[in-house]
Amino acid sequence: DIQMTQSPSSLSASVGDRVTITCRASQGIRNDLAWFQQKPGKAPKRLIYAASSLQSGVPSRFSGSGSGAEFTLTISSLQPEDFATYYCLQFNNYPFTFGPGTKVDIK
Amino acid sequence: EVQLVESGGGLIQPGGSLRLSCAASGFAVSSNFMNWVRQAPGKGLEWVSIVYGDDPPYYADSVKGRFTISRDNSKNTLYLQMNSLRAEDTAVYYCASSATLDYWGQGTLVTVSS
Repeated sequence: DIQMTQSPSSLSASVGDRVTITCRASQGIRNDLAWFQQKPGKAPKRLIYAASSLQSGVPSRFSGSGSGAEFTLTISSLQPEDFATYYCLQFNNYPFTFGPGTKVDIK
Repeated sequence: EVQLVESGGGLIQPGGSLRLSCAASGFAVSSNFMNWVRQAPGKGLEWVSIVYGDDPPYYADSVKGRFTISRDNSKNTLYLQMNSLRAEDTAVYYCASSATLDYWGQGTLVTVSS
């Protein structure tokens, strides 16, 4: 099975900050990676698919990059509504696997 | 508009069985990848199972042999039959569409406890 790791596991940031979250796969997964945002008590919401394609309706301050085994999610200017937990998911191989999550909270 | 609505969760004793449903609208489950994902209380997301067309379904190792995913195309509904339930299966269960999980339902809570 492909193992996914994320760093950091949590971070504190201020509105307007640039935030970067890294996701690493235990083996190459081409660009078969998606990013999700989850707020407490809510279902996850897909932000990015195919590593760098922005989901329709998602603000352009969100961007994804990477290929192979290392990926990043960047929020260019953090907004109040962005405080949430972020997960990566590899869909290159079964079983699909999520990263453990990165919690972004207010500094 | 795409919508997914899960139902069937509840309190069940260890060793028991439960069937979850996910009613879809706005697209056909028969022609899409359909997934189940779960989240234990206070924990991260865990992918559970996927089905697509006539391909064999796939399962996480943690549920293989106990859970079965299926579809009723006439009802446009996805199911998850869960047998031999354990305390560690306690979670909110979500259905999600496509291989990249583009749309999600609101989830249904399954609690396995005596």
